[in-house]
Amino acid sequence: QQQVKQSPQSLIVQKGGISIINCAYENTAFDYFPWYQQFPGKGPALLIAIRPDVSEKKEGRFTISFNKSAKQFSLHIMDSQPGDSATYFCAAGVRDTGRRALTFGSGTRLQVQP
Amino acid sequence: DSGVTQTPKHLITATGQRVTLRCSPRSGDLSVYWYQQSLDQGLQFLIQYYNGEERAKGNILERFSAQQFPDLHSELNLSSLELGDSALYFCASSGLLSGEQYFGPGTRLTVT
Repeated sequence: QQQVKQSPQSLIVQKGGISIINCAYENTAFDYFPWYQQFPGKGPALLIAIRPDVSEKKEGRFTISFNKSAKQFSLHIMDSQPGDSATYFCAAGVRDTGRRALTFGSGTRLQVQP
Repeated sequence: DSGVTQTPKHLITATGQRVTLRCSPRSGDLSVYWYQQSLDQGLQFLIQYYNGEERAKGNILERFSAQQFPDLHSELNLSSLELGDSALYFCASSGLLSGEQYFGPGTRLTVT
C-alpha cells in the first residue's frame, strides 16, 4: 500500500523558473515531512523538513507548503538552476516515537534546462 | 558529506550467496536505519536499530537480518540471494532529539 503519493514523476523547468512537486499522504499519524534530494550515484540528502503545526517553511530557494486538512504538502524551488537537476523524494514519518521509519514517495526527476 | 559511511561501495555476487553490508553512523547518532532502493519499489524502509536494539521493522525479508554493535556500527546480512535483491542499500542515522535522518552513500548490490 503506497502511503505517500508523489507527482509529477518527471519535471522539466527552464532556468530561473519555479519547480513544484506535490505529495499526498494517507496516514494521519504522520507528523514529520522531509524532502530529500538525490543525485545519480549518491545517497539521498536531507533538503528541508516541516512539521504539521506550520503551513510553510522556507530555506533559501526551497519552500515547503503544508495543508493538513487536505493531507498534502509540496516543495517549491524558486529560481531553479541547472545544478538543481536531481531526483527529489518527499517522505513522511512519525517523529515523536522511538520508531522513526520514513515512508517515501516514488520520486520526481527534475531537469532544469539552461 | 553526511558523515554516514558505508562499505563496500559496490558488491557483485551470485545467486544463493550471502553478503554483509556495513554502516557507520554519524558521530553521536544512536539510531541506524536500513533502506533498499530499487527501480520498481523505490525507497523502502527495512529496519531500524537504536543503541543496539531493534526498534522498528519494515519490509525486510526473512533472508535478511541486521544488527547494531556496541560501537554503534551496523551490519545488514543478506542471504540466499536472488536476482531480485539487486538494488542500492542505504544506511541512515539520526540523533535522539532531532530525528532527522542522514543517509550514507549506499552499497550497490548486483546479484548475477
